[in-house]
Amino acid sequence: DAGVTQSPTHLIKTRGQQVTLRCSPKSGHDTVSWYQQALGQGPQFIFQYYEEEERQRGNFPDRFSGHQFPNYSSELNVNALLLGDSALYLCASSLGPDRTSSTDTQYFGPGTRLTVL
Amino acid sequence: DQQVKQNSPSLSVQEGRISILNCDYTNSMFDYFLWYKKYPAEGPTFLISISSIKDKNEDGRFTVFLNKSAKHLSLHIVPSQPGDSAVYFCAASDRDNYGQNFVFGPGTRLSVLP
Repeated sequence: DAGVTQSPTHLIKTRGQQVTLRCSPKSGHDTVSWYQQALGQGPQFIFQYYEEEERQRGNFPDRFSGHQFPNYSSELNVNALLLGDSALYLCASSLGPDRTSSTDTQYFGPGTRLTVL
Repeated sequence: DQQVKQNSPSLSVQEGRISILNCDYTNSMFDYFLWYKKYPAEGPTFLISISSIKDKNEDGRFTVFLNKSAKHLSLHIVPSQPGDSAVYFCAASDRDNYGQNFVFGPGTRLSVLP
């Protein structure tokens, strides 16, 4: 059973650049959420995608955007990178976008480590 | 302002003894709580959850206790094993936000010593 996969594993960018991170959900899951985990902190919710639409969004600027494809995979795009964007970016998948419809909890991928120089 | 707090950054326990990890929250709208475990280079792994209608949930060696009046929950691991050494995150979601976008605490690093 394929779990959540993310690519790339590591990425180094410079300030002002743009980056795209990718996520494939666990087999059978249709909802993808993205989190940012800064060093020494817990994951912080960025946004959630379901049925190819952004369903919920955390307290992140518009520089953070995403997309979900018909096969449920997802991308996270960050524009105009800042040094503070350096973090581990986690993707989590679930079946259904909310607790009333989901029969499963969130499963996390291993993350993409982004370093902004 | 952190809505979910884990005030102990680290905890060391002897193998076979009990590990108690604590979590406090400030948002009274939270009604569903989870614990995740994270090993280095891996994503967080779901461990156990509890709804606010309960005060205890048990799964094998893991038990979560919820004290709603104190806005406090704890994870008990008995007996602790070296393989339990990891970072443990407490997470919560609120009844007005049925999404799976949980609010996480900063984590507690548990070290189980052989």
